[in-house]
Amino acid sequence: DAGVIQSPRHEVTEMGQEVTLRCKPISGHDYLFWYRQTMMRGLELLIYFNNNVPIDDSGMPEDRFSAKMPNASFSTLKIQPSEPRDSAVYFCASSLAPGLADTQYFGPGTRLTVL
Amino acid sequence: RKEVEQDPGPFNVPEGATVAFNCTYSNSASQSFFWYRQDCRKEPKLLMSVYSSGNEDGRFTAQLNRASQYISLLIRDSKLSDSATYLCVALGYGNKLVFGAGTILRVKS
Repeated sequence: DAGVIQSPRHEVTEMGQEVTLRCKPISGHDYLFWYRQTMMRGLELLIYFNNNVPIDDSGMPEDRFSAKMPNASFSTLKIQPSEPRDSAVYFCASSLAPGLADTQYFGPGTRLTVL
Repeated sequence: RKEVEQDPGPFNVPEGATVAFNCTYSNSASQSFFWYRQDCRKEPKLLMSVYSSGNEDGRFTAQLNRASQYISLLIRDSKLSDSATYLCVALGYGNKLVFGAGTILRVKS
């Protein structure tokens, strides 16, 4: 299996621009998670989906952030408009069940820099 | 107070040394705990689960102390390749994994 796939791996954009991050989960995994990692705040869960339905978005920082999962093999995290404080590494992860860490695999991450 | 707290380190140790990390958690209802390893500019990967009775995986030993709400990771005979950030993780409300900020380990020859 190819594992969780994320694109792009690096993104540099200017403040005010729209940013779209993409994720393809492991086939057969019903749960998909979006995390953000910064030096200041560590690794934070933003939102997670079960069978393409958003279950918990309490970690989404504000309305500028939105996430969708139109089908079982694709999800997007969009930031519009982007701000410098959004600079971070964004990880997507997928698993068979939400609390089973031994089935949760992370993608390689997207390193976002907002100038 | 953060739900999972760790000493950020760094811990600088020579090869062959034994090193231990502790982590505390605030949610007494947490039932499951894990240690993840994260290499520089890479994604976190599960190192091991932490069981109530303690568990060992080669040079790595994990312990859980529910009364004091802390988790430990012991690494024996440290290797250069053990250099990484070690993330303590608790299963929190809503079955969500809550990550500590991580402890940096540097093993030097």
